[in-house]
Parts: sequence; C-alpha cells; structure tokens
Amino acid sequence: EAQVTQNPRYLITVTGKKLTVTCSQNMNHEYMSWYRQDPGLGLRQIYYSMNVEVTDKGDVPEGYKVSRKEKRNFPLILESPSPNQTSLYFCASSTGTGGNEQFFGPGTRLTVL
Amino acid sequence: DQQVKQNSPSLSVQEGRISILNCDYTNSMFDYFLWYKKYPAEGPTFLISISSIKDKNEDGRFTVFLNKSAKHLSLHIVPSQPGDSAVYFCAASDPEFNKFYFGSGTKLNVKP
Repeated sequence: EAQVTQNPRYLITVTGKKLTVTCSQNMNHEYMSWYRQDPGLGLRQIYYSMNVEVTDKGDVPEGYKVSRKEKRNFPLILESPSPNQTSLYFCASSTGTGGNEQFFGPGTRLTVL
Repeated sequence: DQQVKQNSPSLSVQEGRISILNCDYTNSMFDYFLWYKKYPAEGPTFLISISSIKDKNEDGRFTVFLNKSAKHLSLHIVPSQPGDSAVYFCAASDPEFNKFYFGSGTKLNVKP
C-alpha cells in the first residue's frame, strides 16, 4: 500500500529537549516536505527536499532542521523545542512540484511545555 | 503575508445543493493550483488540480474554476453529500522556488 508514515503520532515534551519526528514514504518520490498546521494559518511549509542530499527552506524554517540521506526518509529535527513549536505536523511526498499530488502522512501532534 | 487566502472559515450547505469554496492568491507566477480535503485526525488528501493555463477542470462532482485576471479560484461540488463534510485547503505551486503555499482552509458542513 502506497503510504507516508510518521512517528510518533503524538508527543508531549519540554522546552529544550531535542526531538526527531520521522517520516518515510514507499512510493519512490523525489519531493518530500514538512508542514505545520496552526489554527487560522492553514498549512505552512517548513522545509522541503527535491531529492537525496538536496534540502531547502520553506516559509517557516526557524527552529527546525531536516536531512535527506535516503530517498524514502525525511526526518524533522527540533534541536531545542520551544512552546511556539506546539503544532500539528505533516510530512508529504510527491513525484515533484506543479500539479503533482502530494501524499500526506497522518500527522504528528506535538506539544512543547 | 499569506500568498494564498481562503476568506471563509466555514460554509454550511444542504445535501444535494451546490457547495462553492473560494480561494484568492497574490502571485501571478503560480503554475498550478490544487485542492485538498482533510478529515479530522487524518492527513490532507488530494482532490483536484488546475494548471494556470486552463480556466476549468472537472472531475466527477468536483469542478475547479480559475480566473487569472482576478487571481481567484473556486471549487464547486455538485451535488454536495454529507461525506463531503471536511476542511478544504486551496494550495498553489511556485515553480521558481519549488514551494507550495496553502490557504487557511474552509470547513464545509453538508447537512442531511
């Protein structure tokens, strides 16, 4: 089954404690992306990757890091989480940009105390 | 400033009637526009897209209209069904930076 998986689905942590949210896709997609969803703001792109070892900043990259060492995986790293990073996070993948459909993971609900 | 805007946070329609969801954008260089549907506790799923060189695209009950001069697009759902109740996001593709921009979403409620 074609899918994007994210782990964990829910996470409560404290300020400053490094965490990683994993994302994996099994569709051999080149393009992968991370979004955060906040009330009234919709989905905002954090980082994206056009292919292995190619990553770039989206609209809200501050406080986040990513890596793309393998085509299928695109982890999101919060080195020192802060309460304003409390949000719902989605990973997505597609064959490319333009009109290509993005496949989204189920989401990770992160709370930073 | 948001490059893609959905000014209606919610919309309620009767089953069988037409639902019209609207979206405005600011960047005339966007090359594709896409609509996604999101149910609670799930990720968004793709619904329909339209190229900037077209003015209409239809897929079953869903039609998207693009008015480039007004920088406006709309999604029409006819007839609306209770299962269409969800949050709908409008998105735009920026070919210069390989980015996507999403609107804030419109929550559609289709009443039986």
